[in-house]
Amino acid sequence: AQSVTQLGSHVSVSEGALVLLRCNYSSSVPPYLFWYVQYPNQGLQLLLKYTTGATLVKGINGFEAEFKKSETSFHLTKPSAHMSDAAEYFCAVSGRNNNDMRFGAGTRLTVKP
Amino acid sequence: DVKVTQSSRYLVKRTGEKVFLECVQDMDHENMFWYRQDPGLGLRLIYFSYDVKMKEKGDIPEGYSVSREKKERFSLILESASTNQTSMYLCASRTQGGYGYTFGSGTRLTVV
Repeated sequence: AQSVTQLGSHVSVSEGALVLLRCNYSSSVPPYLFWYVQYPNQGLQLLLKYTTGATLVKGINGFEAEFKKSETSFHLTKPSAHMSDAAEYFCAVSGRNNNDMRFGAGTRLTVKP
Repeated sequence: DVKVTQSSRYLVKRTGEKVFLECVQDMDHENMFWYRQDPGLGLRLIYFSYDVKMKEKGDIPEGYSVSREKKERFSLILESASTNQTSMYLCASRTQGGYGYTFGSGTRLTVV
């Protein structure tokens, strides 16, 4: 079975600062890894995914994440935060059949002017 | 773009009522999912379906059932609603062999 731990339920950064949201996973099989974003009163939107191949993956809105197998991590970063990045972010993991996606508890990102 | 539509944005129901949450997707996806979202717990999988009339239990199926009579529609049923089922419910779909899920906007259910 897969599981995800997101470190930090709330992260606050200043506009223009680096965004780093941490995610560690547990999986007994090679994982698929995902980051989703949720804006208020909306569903989840896929930011980026890792399936196979290059371990640094780029997503929408300038976000990227790096799969580090040795550290079982998939941290999300963005070089320069924008006010519009304020949202809740979820890391998720699934096995290769992808019918068993499991989500972390979420990290709420606040961006200060 | 794939669209996943949940019929109600907000619902208020009484304890003991039978509740139906409806989800429709318009892109012929084989796989559909129901999650509930609670603060501090993230999303937890209730049920999923990989084909018409097929269903599998997720992590928290107790108190819920599902129905998938047509490929595009996946219904979540609370047989006898209880206050601990007050939550945000999210439906998602995925094409077979695809990766990311497409989510609906959610139904916020309050059981009083």
